[in-house]
Amino acid sequence: NAGVTQTPKFQVLKTGQSMTLQCAQDMNHNSMYWYRQDPGMGLRLIYYSASEGTTDKGEVPNGYNVSRLNKREFSLRLESAAPSQTSVYFCASSPSGYVNEQFFGPGTRLTVL
Amino acid sequence: AQKITQTQPGMFVQEKEAVTLDCTYDTSDQSYGLFWYKQPSSGEMIFLIYQGSYDEQNATEGRYSLNFQKARKSANLVISASQLGDSAMYFCAMREKYSGGGADGLTFGKGTHLIIQP
Repeated sequence: NAGVTQTPKFQVLKTGQSMTLQCAQDMNHNSMYWYRQDPGMGLRLIYYSASEGTTDKGEVPNGYNVSRLNKREFSLRLESAAPSQTSVYFCASSPSGYVNEQFFGPGTRLTVL
Repeated sequence: AQKITQTQPGMFVQEKEAVTLDCTYDTSDQSYGLFWYKQPSSGEMIFLIYQGSYDEQNATEGRYSLNFQKARKSANLVISASQLGDSAMYFCAMREKYSGGGADGLTFGKGTHLIIQP
């Protein structure tokens, strides 16, 4: 079992460029999440998907879009990258329900110049 | 108002000592879960321990235990017999059943940077 995988691991973009961060899980989880982590901060929720076919905004959704392609995959798209989006991005998955831990991917370190 | 507060930005502890990392939370939900994650310098998020709001016993996982005081809304992590490999960032997080009408996901504190000294 690979758990939660993310690609790429590192990326450098110029302001205004677009890119998609990919995430996949092989644990048959219903729920998937995208978080960002900035220096000195905990993780903040960008978007989540409670089940295949649904997506909802989190705490910091501006500048991002998401797609829940199927039960396994949940992608995060930056349409026009800005320096404020320089961050480490984590994807996570969990079974449904508030009692369950979330399993995290290794993260993508994104720099926007 | 912050939902999760970790008041210790950094801590230095001698190896083999016990350490307590503080976490207080704020919610109006009756049903919620509290989680602790470890983030070593390599960057991955490692789940340590979980406490449910209805659990009467404090959670324990090996050297980790959670000192849950519901009336005080505190969920402190206790690491017994600390080791050099415990040096890392530690995050307290909460997930509410009803999320106060907001987003469903973990709400994290800002973390505590724990350094274990030999």
